[in-house]
Amino acid sequence: GEDVEQSLFLSVREGDSSVINCTYTDSSSTYLYWYKQEPGAGLQLLTYIFSNMDMKQDQRLTVLLNKKDKHLSLRIADTQTGDSAIYFCAETGDTGRRALTFGSGTRLQVQP
Amino acid sequence: NAGVTQTPKFRILKIGQSMTLQCTQDMNHNYMYWYRQDPGMGLKLIYYSVGAGITDKGEVPNGYNVSRSTTEDFPLRLELAAPSQTSVYFCASSYSTAGGPGEQYFGPGTRLTVT
Repeated sequence: GEDVEQSLFLSVREGDSSVINCTYTDSSSTYLYWYKQEPGAGLQLLTYIFSNMDMKQDQRLTVLLNKKDKHLSLRIADTQTGDSAIYFCAETGDTGRRALTFGSGTRLQVQP
Repeated sequence: NAGVTQTPKFRILKIGQSMTLQCTQDMNHNYMYWYRQDPGMGLKLIYYSVGAGITDKGEVPNGYNVSRSTTEDFPLRLELAAPSQTSVYFCASSYSTAGGPGEQYFGPGTRLTVT
């Protein structure tokens, strides 16, 4: 079945760049997403990338997709304390249900 | 637009009790979903619906039931609560077409504890 994996924890200093990595197994994945979850809150979509792209930039966020290795990364430039949260990688394949398969999440801790 | 709303925010149930988690969206989305999030884990799909009157099982449907009588509402029913159902439940909706899945919008979640 489909599987999405992420490292559990990342700690960076304020002002540094953060890179959060994700690997997935479903070769039919068509859309890949990054969601942010703050404590006690729901999920907020940060960005997504279509599988025929290899890079997408949106202000401080850069998404890189290596489809051959099934590897997705999220780079946050100039990381701020407000970026501290759990970041989920998710994918959806070209199936009728359009549901998301999530990774376990990476907790980003930004130290002042 | 209120987006996706869920009630209640918190609930404590005793083993064997029943309850319904409510979910409503006002965006005229065709697809709706129920996910659960266990501590330290990602979200797992319980049930989904591609439109009014149509529902189907996700990865972890056991112990739950759903209905979709209107486009707006997608309630999740727990008939005999068990401690394994202690989790945070998220409802989501999207406008999906043949061209793509559409962005999923999430509700704020319902935190359920079964003791």
